[in-house]
Amino acid sequence: DAGITQSPRHKVTETGTPVTLRCHQTENHRYMYWYRQDPGHGLRLIHYSYGVKDTDKGEVSDGYSVSRSKTEDFLLTLESATSSQTSVYFCAISERDEQGSEQYFGPGTRLTVT
Amino acid sequence: AQSVTQLDSHVSVSEGTPVLLRCNYSSSYSPSLFWYVQHPNKGLQLLLKYTSAATLVKGINGFEAEFKKSETSFHLTKPSAHMSDAAEYFCVVSLLAAGNKLTFGGGTRVLVKP
Repeated sequence: DAGITQSPRHKVTETGTPVTLRCHQTENHRYMYWYRQDPGHGLRLIHYSYGVKDTDKGEVSDGYSVSRSKTEDFLLTLESATSSQTSVYFCAISERDEQGSEQYFGPGTRLTVT
Repeated sequence: AQSVTQLDSHVSVSEGTPVLLRCNYSSSYSPSLFWYVQHPNKGLQLLLKYTSAATLVKGINGFEAEFKKSETSFHLTKPSAHMSDAAEYFCVVSLLAAGNKLTFGGGTRVLVKP
């Protein structure tokens, strides 16, 4: 999986608790992305990063925040988890941020909010 | 705005028969298009991409796709299905105007019968 790991791989948490998901890459790629996958919706972009401490919102960013203090790590935080955030979360990386550039995906984190 | 429609949510084929997965996109600009595959409980893997070169694109594992601008389509085909092709397939578009932000179709789940 192109040197991308995600942790944890599975998590069950209760409504209202904070949750942090980690994406770690060994490729030294500049661009990193967080997506969520829900049936019938494909993947939808939550947040992305174009460098250390440089992040921006995606299509479905409400209720999520991100941080990137090192090139290799991109953290996704749910400040107060809700049941609607039950999903599979994927991290992706890319060497360039131009049309047609490939993104490489991690193995995913399955999050269940009860 | 860009969007991607995968016309079939499920496709069932017999091993050794052709596979056709249909994808239509809407875009005011020249897009880049991708097909990704996701095997059960795995991340996404790039099958092939179109970036304004040859309209017939060959990918891995015997898959190919044809870009037809007049029909705004990018259908994925394989002449002979194998059991290992059972997976979910995503058609994806990116536009110059949107940097490398990917828009995913809803996915097509392929079942291969022996």
